[in-house]
Amino acid sequence: QQKVQQSPESLSVPEGGMASLNCTSSDRNFQYFWWYRQHSGEGPKALMSIFSDGDKKEGRFTAHLNKASLHVSLHIRDSQPSDSALYFCAASGTSSGQKLVFGQGTILKVYL
Amino acid sequence: VTLLEQNPRWRLVPRGQAVNLRCILKNSQYPWMSWYQQDLQKQLQWLFTLRSPGDKEVKSLPGADYLATRVTDTELRLQVANMSQGRTLYCTCSAGTGGNTGQLYFGEGSKLTVL
Repeated sequence: QQKVQQSPESLSVPEGGMASLNCTSSDRNFQYFWWYRQHSGEGPKALMSIFSDGDKKEGRFTAHLNKASLHVSLHIRDSQPSDSALYFCAASGTSSGQKLVFGQGTILKVYL
Repeated sequence: VTLLEQNPRWRLVPRGQAVNLRCILKNSQYPWMSWYQQDLQKQLQWLFTLRSPGDKEVKSLPGADYLATRVTDTELRLQVANMSQGRTLYCTCSAGTGGNTGQLYFGEGSKLTVL
């Protein structure tokens, strides 16, 4: 069973629109959550981390974590064509910081 | 400056042959190096984390066998063997500072295709 589930599988938003990506974990050992982004032909790059309940905002990106429900979301406002990429939710436990468990990814397409 | 350099970037692998991948770390501030595999559906899966020169680990997964070696403080290797015929696989290395709150930096990956 996939321990980190992402939805939707793919998402299309207009330029300037809001993109919302979701992630749910089934393992209560996970304490640390990340969003990574991968453009075609490149390795994944960390977008932001969230370790505490609530919202965390970095520029156009806002992450939300609810530890009780093990739900993480990422919201991208004012989406740009350069935001088009594969987005991963990743989680790790307290003793395994280098061992990230990734979701299956959400493909985001921002169209003009 | 790229933190991790991987080579080769792409390799056609004759059936039954093993292939050796290298990952070179450019900044020793991120000494915890790992290998991840990524399948054609882009699912990323952790394989190994090796911290110290001389560390070795082996693992067998459906479709391939792996041997990872931390050669030096700046070089991590991965030998991939017994890949299933017709399979395509990406192997990506990462580096981090250790602990739970630091981000991982990933290389650009090596693409392996079995003939």
